[in-house]
Amino acid sequence: DTEVTQTPKHLVMGMTNKKSLKCEQHMGHRAMYWYKQKAKKPPELMFVYSYEKLSINESVPSRFSPECPNSSLLNLHLHALQPEDSALYLCASSGDRTEDTQYFGPGTRLTVL
Amino acid sequence: DAKTTQPNSMESNEEEPVHLPCNHSTISGTDYIHWYRQLPSQGPEYVIHGLTSNVNNRMASLAIAEDRKSSTLILHRATLRDAAVYYCILRDVRNDKLIFGTGTRLQVFP
Repeated sequence: DTEVTQTPKHLVMGMTNKKSLKCEQHMGHRAMYWYKQKAKKPPELMFVYSYEKLSINESVPSRFSPECPNSSLLNLHLHALQPEDSALYLCASSGDRTEDTQYFGPGTRLTVL
Repeated sequence: DAKTTQPNSMESNEEEPVHLPCNHSTISGTDYIHWYRQLPSQGPEYVIHGLTSNVNNRMASLAIAEDRKSSTLILHRATLRDAAVYYCILRDVRNDKLIFGTGTRLQVFP
């Protein structure tokens, strides 16, 4: 099973709401990632977890809060977002070797009103 | 982080070979060359990767220049399902970062 699943597929939220995006993989991968992709742009790395610990934070605003409850799950908690945060949020995972390929989920399409 | 440069778009006819170029003149010795593609409304999908030697797999071939400052992704017979944005990426083995370039949008015509 080489699948990364993400829920929900679509999310609409107001600027005062709190919501969470979820990502799951059952490939035994040690690393999990969050990317943000604006329309017609390439994905931009946000966070990396390695062995359930945050290893990379690409200077992401604190209104985005990642969490890795266990080796299979990755959450992204959202609070007080701005309309410019509307984007496709992609989750990915990869195996033990740093040159290993990343497997991406289908993404969550987020709209902030 | 080393950067890649790709043409914005390319076109091909179905069943013809496609050569997608990528320049990465600032590549370092610890950078692997990865290619991913993103079909409409989907997450990126791994295509192929290599370090120094040319590589083949069931999806494509990767030709790497001797000085490693450029590479070419080769789709041997394009199909309509190959229409996508193709990203050439340098991945440093010292960290987990995958930094996407702007990509090449490939159109395939019947």
